[in-house]
Amino acid sequence: AQTVTQSQPEMSVQEAETVTLSCTYDTSESDYYLFWYKQPPSRQMILVIRQEAYKQQNATENRFSVNFQKAAKSFSLKISDSQLGDAAMYFCAYIGQGGSEKLVFGKGTKLTVNP
Amino acid sequence: DADVTQTPRNRITKTGKRIMLECSQTKGHDRMYWYRQDPGLGLRLIYYSFDVKDINKGEISDGYSVSRQAQAKFSLSLESAIPNQTALYFCATRGAGAGTDTQYFGPGTRLTVL
Repeated sequence: AQTVTQSQPEMSVQEAETVTLSCTYDTSESDYYLFWYKQPPSRQMILVIRQEAYKQQNATENRFSVNFQKAAKSFSLKISDSQLGDAAMYFCAYIGQGGSEKLVFGKGTKLTVNP
Repeated sequence: DADVTQTPRNRITKTGKRIMLECSQTKGHDRMYWYRQDPGLGLRLIYYSFDVKDINKGEISDGYSVSRQAQAKFSLSLESAIPNQTALYFCATRGAGAGTDTQYFGPGTRLTVL
């Protein structure tokens, strides 16, 4: 079974600085997708960024970028120029392309942004 | 307007009561999902549906049932609520076909069973 591990329960960063959140996963599939979701205090699960496993190029969305290392099964999220509004729980998630409908989530990392 | 809506947003009920959580979407997606979120456990899949005639159990379906009334509506029922069903419940949708791998979530329903 696929698993997703986020080894950092909590992280903090100063406003305007850069922070990297870690995620590793375990799978025997070759085709899959990886995601980072953000959950602010409002509880909404918001898609931050997605990565297709067959693409070697790392995904980027404005201040958010990933470092995808397929061989190492690592998928970290880098937030540049951190803003107070980035404070939230961040969840790494995996879904295989082999027909599974289950989005497998890590347990989350709570990010605090200090002014 | 939000693409995926859930009602109610918060609900407190008593053990043994029947309760229904509703989800509607305007994204035109075929696939819909119900997840529950517990502290420290992330999200877990309860049920999912490909269309109104295709409903499937997820990893934690015991104690729950669902109904897909239309492409846009997917309801989750707790026939006899118990305290360990206290959680945050999310509905999600996903399109079908190539390149539609992303699930989009509703705002969640906080359920408390006393």
